Amino acid sequence: DVKVTQSSRYLVKRTGEKVFLECVQDMDHENMFWYRQDPGLGLRLIYFSYDVKMKEKGDIPEGYSVSREKKERFSLILESASTNQTSMYLCASSPPPIREREGRETQYFGPGTRLLVL
Amino acid sequence: EDQVTQSPEALRLQEGESSSLNCSYTVSGLRGLFWYRQDPGKGPEFLFTLYSAGEEKEKERLKATLTKKESFLHITAPKPEDSATYLCAVGGSGGYQKVTFGTGTKLQVIP
Repeated sequence: DVKVTQSSRYLVKRTGEKVFLECVQDMDHENMFWYRQDPGLGLRLIYFSYDVKMKEKGDIPEGYSVSREKKERFSLILESASTNQTSMYLCASSPPPIREREGRETQYFGPGTRLLVL
Repeated sequence: EDQVTQSPEALRLQEGESSSLNCSYTVSGLRGLFWYRQDPGKGPEFLFTLYSAGEEKEKERLKATLTKKESFLHITAPKPEDSATYLCAVGGSGGYQKVTFGTGTKLQVIP
């Protein structure tokens, strides 16, 4: 089974703090993603990475950065946390289409990190 | 821009009362349509991927179908443990690996 883990289930931070969210997957997937999920807005893509040290902006990258130094690990960084970044953060991974047996581009999600910025 | 609309937003069923959830989409070049289940406070759990109109997939009491404009998730004789939010998502050709999610249907099954 694919396993995606996130470093924290719950986090409480102060405005202006630098926040690190860590995600690790154990299936040797090339692609990794960070989303945020807010009521009524669904999942919105922040950043994704298709290879080590590679990153692409998603739909809402402002106020965030990412780091992917190793294939299995993808970090989301809030440079200076603000209250409007209070949200549920979800990490996902997927293999490239050529290797996927069950489905093309299927993304597998971690348990999520609920972040509260005060 | 790819779009996904799910209906209804919420659905309450009696145990054993079958129903369907709808996912309407517009996408430039469908690569795949995905269904996920999400329990409160948890990440989405993958259910199905559908690739082309006419395709169907089943898992226990769930059956997903796909047309050129929408997908249905049919729930047959649901049980309370089927209560969850069901998310639909589409992968289009507009961006590598980019997937657009709907806002979900929250299903509650009453014993």
